[in-house]
Amino acid sequence: GAVVSQHPSRVICKSGTSVKIECRSLDFQATTMFWYRQFPKQSLMLMATSNEGSKATYEQGVEKDKFLINHASLTLSTLTVTSAHPEDSSFYICSATVTGGERATNEKLFFGSGTQLSVL
Amino acid sequence: AQSVTQPDIHITVSEGASLELRCNYSYGATPYLFWYVQSPGQGLQLLLKYFSGDTLVQGIKGFEAEFKRSQSSFNLRKPSVHWSDAAEYFCAVDSPTDSWGKLQFGAGTQVVVTP
Repeated sequence: GAVVSQHPSRVICKSGTSVKIECRSLDFQATTMFWYRQFPKQSLMLMATSNEGSKATYEQGVEKDKFLINHASLTLSTLTVTSAHPEDSSFYICSATVTGGERATNEKLFFGSGTQLSVL
Repeated sequence: AQSVTQPDIHITVSEGASLELRCNYSYGATPYLFWYVQSPGQGLQLLLKYFSGDTLVQGIKGFEAEFKRSQSSFNLRKPSVHWSDAAEYFCAVDSPTDSWGKLQFGAGTQVVVTP
């Protein structure tokens, strides 16, 4: 089964509403999670880095107040798109990893299955 | 600036023919390198990765990639493609000086397989 569960897989909402996307690591404790955004026929762009128990680090150009990220536990990070508008329609995908230790031996980097957000 | 480049936006290949997807990177130190595949509306599936050691890496679905330090490249190959290989392919790098798992993706290469 999937080691990183992302829900919902698809959501349609009205403009002005908020949408929450969850990313859960199922069989390991993820000290760090990443959130990416992918526009149609484009690549994945990192939005933010989420560390458990601390504030997320956002990439340049990403609105912190629009994309709220919470990483309250070692197995769950959430991305809330606040007051969504049609231009926020996109594919959002998370990844989870365990930090610390030697990179060469750390293979715990897993992606969720993504969430397609459509704002009407 | 650090970058990862996939020069080919779109490749069309006949079923049974060989496939090579190019990936070049520009980093101060040799990054960790990945190839992912994505079907429409789906998440990412890891094909293979390179951290160190043998520069020819074997992956799933019959794919392999070769790391060439002198060319700053990590090209993906498959000897004989199947119709099911039609998808978007992304090369990604992880900087050894940044957070582990913080990937920078190339623009992607769309692979179309013809009968």
